[in-house]
Amino acid sequence: NAGVMQNPRHLVRRRGQEARLRCSPMKGHSHVYWYRQLPEEGLKFMVYLQKENIIDESGMPKERFSAEFPKEGPSILRIQQVVRGDSAAYFCASSSDRQYSGNTIYFGEGSWLTVV
Amino acid sequence: DAKTTQPTSMDCAEGRAANLPCNHSTISGNEYVYWYRQIHSQGPQYIIHGLKNNETNEMASLIITEDRKSSTLILPHATLRDTAVYYCIVRVRDNYGQNFVFGPGTRLSVLP
Repeated sequence: NAGVMQNPRHLVRRRGQEARLRCSPMKGHSHVYWYRQLPEEGLKFMVYLQKENIIDESGMPKERFSAEFPKEGPSILRIQQVVRGDSAAYFCASSSDRQYSGNTIYFGEGSWLTVV
Repeated sequence: DAKTTQPTSMDCAEGRAANLPCNHSTISGNEYVYWYRQIHSQGPQYIIHGLKNNETNEMASLIITEDRKSSTLILPHATLRDTAVYYCIVRVRDNYGQNFVFGPGTRLSVLP
C-alpha cells in the first residue's frame, strides 16, 4: 500500500520561473493538504483540498501560488514567478474522511524547492 | 482554538524511556491529541493519537491526564533513530473542518 507520493523530490528553479509540485494521496484518500517548511522553521499550513474543490486556502500566499486537485490525477501546487524566498520544503498530506475528528493525516517525503 | 505548549528540547539516553510532555489546557471535549515526529529532512511521521483514554501502539504510548489538560508521549526504549522534532497537536475544528496546526515542537536528542 503506497504512501503519499510527492514529486519531484528536489527541484531547482531560476527566479521568475514556474514550479509545479505534484502529490498523489494514499490509496482511498480523497483529502489533500499542503504544508510549507522554510529553512529552520516549522510547518505552516497552506491549503486543504478535496477532489475538484478547494476547502481552505487560508494559508496560501495571495499571489503567485495556486493549488488544484482534479477529478483524475495528482494534486498540483503551482508557484509562478518564483523568488528566492520560495525556497523551502513543501509537504503534502492526505486523509480519508473528515467526518470523524479522530481521522489522521499522513505525509509524503516532501519536495525541496531551491530558487537560484 | 486550543493550543499546545511543549519544551523546546530534551535529551534522553539511548535505551531509556523518553517522556515528552505537552500542555493543552484549553482543549475542547471533542478534540483529539495527536503526536507526530519529523526526522531531519524527512516528512512528518504519524505516531499516535487519543481522545481521553491512554493509547499504546508499536511506536509509543500516549498518557492523557483525566482533565485532558496535558499529555505525555512515551517512547519506551529510545534509540538513536528516535532523534527528531516531536509535535503535539490538538485537532482544530473550524468552519471548514479540521486542520492540523504545527507548533515548534520538542527537539529530542537521544544520546549514546
